[in-house]
Amino acid sequence: AQRVTQPEKLLSVFKGAPVELKCNYSYSGSPELFWYVQYSRQRLQLLLRHISRESIKGFTADLNKGETSFHLKKPFAQEEDSAMYYCALNNYGQNFVFGPGTRLSVLP
Amino acid sequence: SAVISQKPSRDICQRGTSLTIQCQVDSQVTMMFWYRQQPGQSLTLIATANQGSEATYESGFVIDKFPISRPNLTFSTLTVSNMSPEDSSIYLCSVGGTLYNEQFFGPGTRLTVL
Repeated sequence: AQRVTQPEKLLSVFKGAPVELKCNYSYSGSPELFWYVQYSRQRLQLLLRHISRESIKGFTADLNKGETSFHLKKPFAQEEDSAMYYCALNNYGQNFVFGPGTRLSVLP
Repeated sequence: SAVISQKPSRDICQRGTSLTIQCQVDSQVTMMFWYRQQPGQSLTLIATANQGSEATYESGFVIDKFPISRPNLTFSTLTVSNMSPEDSSIYLCSVGGTLYNEQFFGPGTRLTVL
């Protein structure tokens, strides 16, 4: 069965420090993976898609099929990065599975 | 990306009543999705709504409890029937992207059942 895990419910880092939000998945085929972010009192919005290999707001994520991971990284965290982050897996349009989410808190 | 709106944005309802949530998209889309986000939890897919056919429900969700309408390619409704406090959640609709298989979400409807 498809599953997405995010081991940390809460991650606190200081401003300027590197941050890594972990995501692991279980899926038998070739997955499509995404990171979504929800800032306080805002709607859930797409941050990154693995297929486009982009960097958004300084965040990157690399799909590692060997480790079945899709960790989100940023070299220097900013206070405005504080939000809830969800890793998600799409089974080619059949359904979308979300991880439990990690709350990132960037301290001044 | 699509612009998605939902009504109502929030509501407080009595046990045993029903609430219908509307989702409007600014472009025609084939599939619309309904999710539930219970307090402190992640998103769980309730059903997929295709225009012109019955919605497809995920395990644990049934049509009698969550009837869905999809009258055209830009609109869908989700009804939460015979509500109980356990139905208190944020309900979100989403649509698929056209270029990649991502999803775009509406602002959500925050439902509190007393």
